[in-house]
Amino acid sequence: NAGVMQNPRHLVRRRGQEARLRCSPMKGHSHVYWYRQLPEEGLKFMVYLQKENIIDESGMPKERFSAEFPKEGPSILRIQQVVRGDSAAYFCASSPPFGETQYFGPGTRLLVL
Amino acid sequence: AQKITQTQPGMFVQEKEAVTLDCTYDTSDPSYGLFWYKQPSSGEMIFLIYQGSYDQQNATEGRYSLNFQKARKSANLVISASQLGDSAMYFCAMRDVNYGGSQGNLIFGKGTKLSVKP
Repeated sequence: NAGVMQNPRHLVRRRGQEARLRCSPMKGHSHVYWYRQLPEEGLKFMVYLQKENIIDESGMPKERFSAEFPKEGPSILRIQQVVRGDSAAYFCASSPPFGETQYFGPGTRLLVL
Repeated sequence: AQKITQTQPGMFVQEKEAVTLDCTYDTSDPSYGLFWYKQPSSGEMIFLIYQGSYDQQNATEGRYSLNFQKARKSANLVISASQLGDSAMYFCAMRDVNYGGSQGNLIFGKGTKLSVKP
C-alpha cells in the first residue's frame, strides 16, 4: 500500500506566478488535510477536504489560496500570484473514513523568488 | 481554545539511553486524540504513536511509549534505547474537536529537536 504521494517535492516560482501542489492520498483514504510549515515552526492547518467537498477551510488565507479534491484524481492546493511569504513546506495528510491517524506525504517545498 | 505546548526546544541524549520529550495540552472536550510525529532532517513527517483520551493504558509502539497523565494534561513521549537515527524534530499534536467523531485537523506544538550523541 503506497503512502501519501505529493508532487512536486520542490517548486520554485517567481513572485506573481501560480503554484499548484498535488496530493494523492493513501488507498482507501477519503479524508485529506493540507498543512503549512514555516521554517523553525510546527505545522499549521489550512484545509480539510473529502471527495468533492471542502469540509473546513478556516486555516486558509482568504485570498489567492484554493483547494479541491475532485471525484477522480489528486487533491490540489493552488496558490495564485505567489509572494515571498508563501515560501514554506506544504504537507498533505490523509486518513481513512473511520480512522483517527493522519499519515503525511513527504511535503512540497515551495520557494518564491 | 485547544493548545499544545512543548517546552523543550532542544534535548540531548546519549546513545542507548532513554529520553522523555514533554508535551502538555489544553482542551475542554472529554474526547480527544494525541499524536507524536517525527521529522528527520530529510523533512518528512513520520507518525510514531497515538493515544486516545479514553484509552485505559499508555500507548506503546516498539521503543516508543506515551506517558499519558490525564489529570495533568500531559502526554510525554518516551524513547527507550536511543539510536543515532532518532536525531530529529519531534512534534506533539492533538486532534481538533470541531467535527465530532474521529476526524479533524491536528493542532501541533512547536516541536523539540532531539540530538543523540554517540
